Amino acid sequence: AQSVTQLDSQVPVFEEAPVELRCNYSSSVSVYLFWYVQYPNQGLQLLLKYLSGSTLVKGINGFEAEFNKSQTSFHLRKPSVHISDTAEYFCAVSNAGGTSYGKLTFGQGTILTVHP
Amino acid sequence: GAGVSQTPSNKVTEKGKYVELRCDPISGHTALYWYRQSLGQGPEFLIYFQGTGAADDSGLPNDRFFAVRPEGSVSTLKIQRTERGDSAVYLCASSSAPAPSSYNEQFFGPGTRLTVL
Repeated sequence: AQSVTQLDSQVPVFEEAPVELRCNYSSSVSVYLFWYVQYPNQGLQLLLKYLSGSTLVKGINGFEAEFNKSQTSFHLRKPSVHISDTAEYFCAVSNAGGTSYGKLTFGQGTILTVHP
Repeated sequence: GAGVSQTPSNKVTEKGKYVELRCDPISGHTALYWYRQSLGQGPEFLIYFQGTGAADDSGLPNDRFFAVRPEGSVSTLKIQRTERGDSAVYLCASSSAPAPSSYNEQFFGPGTRLTVL
């Protein structure tokens, strides 16, 4: 079984400040890792993913995340946030291979609120 | 091109009633997933279709829940004898056919918000 824990349910920040959204996972097999963003009244949108290779991955809208296998973490970062980054962010994992068919296990979500 | 669409966007029903939720995947996508997102929680996997068959229904909570995809495109999630605890946003996602050890991005629809009174 897999699980994902997002350590902060809400993160308030001021515009142009840096932000880190924390994610830890548990799995007995190798995993793929994802961050999704959900804007109000919209579907989930893939922000970035880690499949293999370099542990630092870059995504859309200036976000990046670093896979740390020893700490089983995949924290999301942005050096300078904008008002438009206000949304809910979900960390997710899926089995890397096997017969999981890509089904995702999500964390509880972190609401990022950017204040002017 | 068109993304994943779901209808209705909102559904209010009474306890004990039957509901159907529809998902139209991206054209050509053979893999289809249903997830349920309860208030304040992340989405939880319900069922996965590869083509017309349900390859993994391990996430369906009980036998009141059933899903079909008869022609390998549109899917319908059916809930019998609805309960207040079924209230949630039901999300559908589609992707190109995944194979072991490969990855294909899942594209999500906007969801159907189900409220059981």
